[in-house]
Amino acid sequence: ELTQPPSVSVSPGQTARITCFGDALPNRYAFWYQQKPGQAPLLVIYKDTERPSGITERFSGSSSGTTATLTISGVQAEDEADYFCQSTDSSDTAHVVFGGGTKLTVL
Amino acid sequence: EVQLVQSGAEVKKSGESLRISCKGYGYSFTTYWITWVRQMPGKGLEWMGRIDPTDGSTDYNPSLQGHVTISADRSINTAYLQWSSLRASDTAMFYCARLYGDYLDYWGQGTLVTVSS
Repeated sequence: ELTQPPSVSVSPGQTARITCFGDALPNRYAFWYQQKPGQAPLLVIYKDTERPSGITERFSGSSSGTTATLTISGVQAEDEADYFCQSTDSSDTAHVVFGGGTKLTVL
Repeated sequence: EVQLVQSGAEVKKSGESLRISCKGYGYSFTTYWITWVRQMPGKGLEWMGRIDPTDGSTDYNPSLQGHVTISADRSINTAYLQWSSLRASDTAMFYCARLYGDYLDYWGQGTLVTVSS
């Protein structure tokens, strides 16, 4: 199970940090997806810290112990979206599990 | 360019059957598992299950097993999600996504399924 705060609010230009807590995270990678209204999710961070091609450098990830963090620097209005963390469970088949999602509001 | 293209929105009645599809383009379809993800109205993402298009082997979320069936036809690079008897609670957006190791690197555009009672 992965736990995220339901909402985070920041002003434009500030830094947003979205956390994801999970007991298995010390042994599993975290991945992050951005979902804007009416759109499919988009991968923004993989393997804790890696950024896919085409994703702005303002997005970064980190992980320590049971908590993974998505950091968005210099937040812009276009970053307002739902963000979901994802990992795999501890079963032999490593099923995908998602956090409940965090609504980022740009004030 | 890798793309997953899903079938269009569906409006059905409780008890009816349905199959939605997800066609892969721009990569070797049998190299990666396809995953299905459910998003109920106003809610988060829920992993439903996955299929290996090479041999059709499947793996389901235990909470959903028995209610949905995932299949694939590798000859036409297409995966399917089907129900034999829909319920109103099946109303949701359904996404297919390519499973790249432990994460989902490409997603379909989504298929909205609306089930009325």
